[in-house]
Amino acid sequence: EDQVTQSPEALRLQEGESSSLNCSYTVSGLRGLFWYRQDPGKGPEFLFTLYSAGEEKEKERLKATLTKKESFLHITAPKPEDSATYLCAVQTRDSNYQLIWGAGTKLIIKP
Amino acid sequence: DVKVTQSSRYLVKRTGEKVFLECVQDMDHENMFWYRQDPGLGLRLIYFSYDVKMKEKGDIPEGYSVSREKKERFSLILESASTNQTSMYLCASSFGVLDRLNYGYTFGSGTRLTVV
Repeated sequence: EDQVTQSPEALRLQEGESSSLNCSYTVSGLRGLFWYRQDPGKGPEFLFTLYSAGEEKEKERLKATLTKKESFLHITAPKPEDSATYLCAVQTRDSNYQLIWGAGTKLIIKP
Repeated sequence: DVKVTQSSRYLVKRTGEKVFLECVQDMDHENMFWYRQDPGLGLRLIYFSYDVKMKEKGDIPEGYSVSREKKERFSLILESASTNQTSMYLCASSFGVLDRLNYGYTFGSGTRLTVV
């Protein structure tokens, strides 16, 4: 069964303390892996798409990487405004646009 | 600024009522999706549509139906609301391409529905 697992469930960091969020996947074939950010009471906001192992993408303090089994979202010198839930999702080879979602990592950055 | 607009942020309905959730996008996207999001269960796909008047069932279609009469509008209908349909409902849209590769969704802000 296709599955996406995110860890940890929650992560508390001090401002400026860099860390990584993990998204591991077990799927029949990967077409793309997606990272979204979700603020409380709002819809998810698209961050990155990665399509092949070895690919990396960056946006401000965020960097996403992809291997054949997992993806990492690295957060460098985070600020309180980076606090949010980060969602990972994958599109499998036999899907028509649909995504399989992880449960998310709630990130809290303390000033 | 491109947008997916959901008609209501909060709704309270009674058990047995027929409920309509509306979603409109202004990006000329071919694909539209309805998800529900519950704590601990993540996002679950209810229905999606990749063309006007087309619809496909997602993972949890029971108790729901959809309508897409125009490209920009996708409606979710709860035929007879029940308390287990209390949830956050999210609409999303995306471009459609021949190989059906997902290039990322744009989500609306969500509708928090409470069925009492």
